[in-house]
Amino acid sequence: DAKTTQPPSMDCAEGRAANLPCNHSTISGNEYVYWYRQIHSQGPQYIIHGLKNNETNEMASLIITEDRKSSTLILPHATLRDTAVYYCIVGWGGYQKVTFGTGTKLQVIP
Amino acid sequence: GAVVSQHPSRVICKSGTSVKIECRSLDFQATTMFWYRQFPKQSLMLMATSNEGSKATYEQGVEKDKFLINHASLTLSTLTVTSAHPEDSSFYICSAPIAGGGNEQFFGPGTRLTVL
Repeated sequence: DAKTTQPPSMDCAEGRAANLPCNHSTISGNEYVYWYRQIHSQGPQYIIHGLKNNETNEMASLIITEDRKSSTLILPHATLRDTAVYYCIVGWGGYQKVTFGTGTKLQVIP
Repeated sequence: GAVVSQHPSRVICKSGTSVKIECRSLDFQATTMFWYRQFPKQSLMLMATSNEGSKATYEQGVEKDKFLINHASLTLSTLTVTSAHPEDSSFYICSAPIAGGGNEQFFGPGTRLTVL
């Protein structure tokens, strides 16, 4: 699996958009970009994934650069409940094992 | 989304005893499940891949005789920590993909193990 690089921490004001970057310069052509988050003392939660095109669901939007070497997870209106560690992962998904990096600790501030 | 449960959520045991942790897929079948361990303030570390009907595949450095994995059915995998020691105290998490479903993994809520 390709390695990812994320900032260790970020702050975001409640109600504002949270933009979490991820670099994955060694991603291969058929690897997906996945985002998971882990709220303290809970199991990780799937957020979104994409291959080439930008994706949006009820939780977030995923913007992938044209060269696929980086991506940004956007939480459009951050709430206090979005405070968590966010993990960007690249891989083939499905039955392939997931390797977690250190993630970004997002703190949403009132 | 799909639901994965773990039991127990918390367990405290004495050093030298064995502890069994269950991971169940509640509304889907899981031929493959993954077991992770997470120490405080650290990321998740993959321990092993559990395969229904066959032996588990362990990651490098994980003792297969200490962490016994049994994938007894399409909805249940168990992790037994044998002869537990205080250094085994950790947060254990399982995950599973849906057979024939999307590419994402569904994670259990985790089991907090404390070995005294």
